[in-house]
Amino acid sequence: GQQVMQIPQYQHVQEGEDFTTYCNSSTTLSNIQWYKQRPGGHPVFLIQLVKSGEVKKQKRLTFQFGEAKKNSSLHITATQTTDVGTYFCAGKTSGSRLTFGEGTQLTVNP
Amino acid sequence: DGGITQSPKYLFRKEGQNVTLSCEQNLNHDAMYWYRQDPGQGLRLIYYSQIVNDFQKGDIAEGYSVSREKKESFPLTVTSAQKNPTAFYLCASSDTGPGDTQYFGPGTRLTVL
Repeated sequence: GQQVMQIPQYQHVQEGEDFTTYCNSSTTLSNIQWYKQRPGGHPVFLIQLVKSGEVKKQKRLTFQFGEAKKNSSLHITATQTTDVGTYFCAGKTSGSRLTFGEGTQLTVNP
Repeated sequence: DGGITQSPKYLFRKEGQNVTLSCEQNLNHDAMYWYRQDPGQGLRLIYYSQIVNDFQKGDIAEGYSVSREKKESFPLTVTSAQKNPTAFYLCASSDTGPGDTQYFGPGTRLTVL
């Protein structure tokens, strides 16, 4: 079945440093979504990427979808303590359901 | 206010008892889902439903049961057959199908003693 792998599992950064999490699929995806879960909270949708090579930005967050539509990344520039949480990617293949990666847990030291 | 509600937030049960977790949505979404999350882990799909009176097993359905008698409601029963039921349970919904953006409820943290 479809698998979505996400790395790293944990990332600790100093406030102001950059952060990147990577998502890789075993199959070509029709779209990829990113979610954020704050500690003690529930996942909240951030963005969806659909096109090959697509890049989208939300303030300090940059999302990329690979040319082959099998990988994606989320990059945060100059992290802040408000960025703390677990970031999940979720990929969908044509005709199938969404499959979530295991998430990257980000901690930011002030 | 549109959204998904789950109750209760915390639930304690004795081993061997069945327990039902509530999930209600007023977003008029067709599809609803149940996920299990263990500490430091990702989201594992238990069951999902795309339409009233129909549902499909996810990746870890054993020991769980669901019903979808109303569009707004998708309760999950954790049965005594579930060997390790202590976890954080998240309900979600999406507009039409399983590939759409999912909106999550606040979750229920179940502890079985």
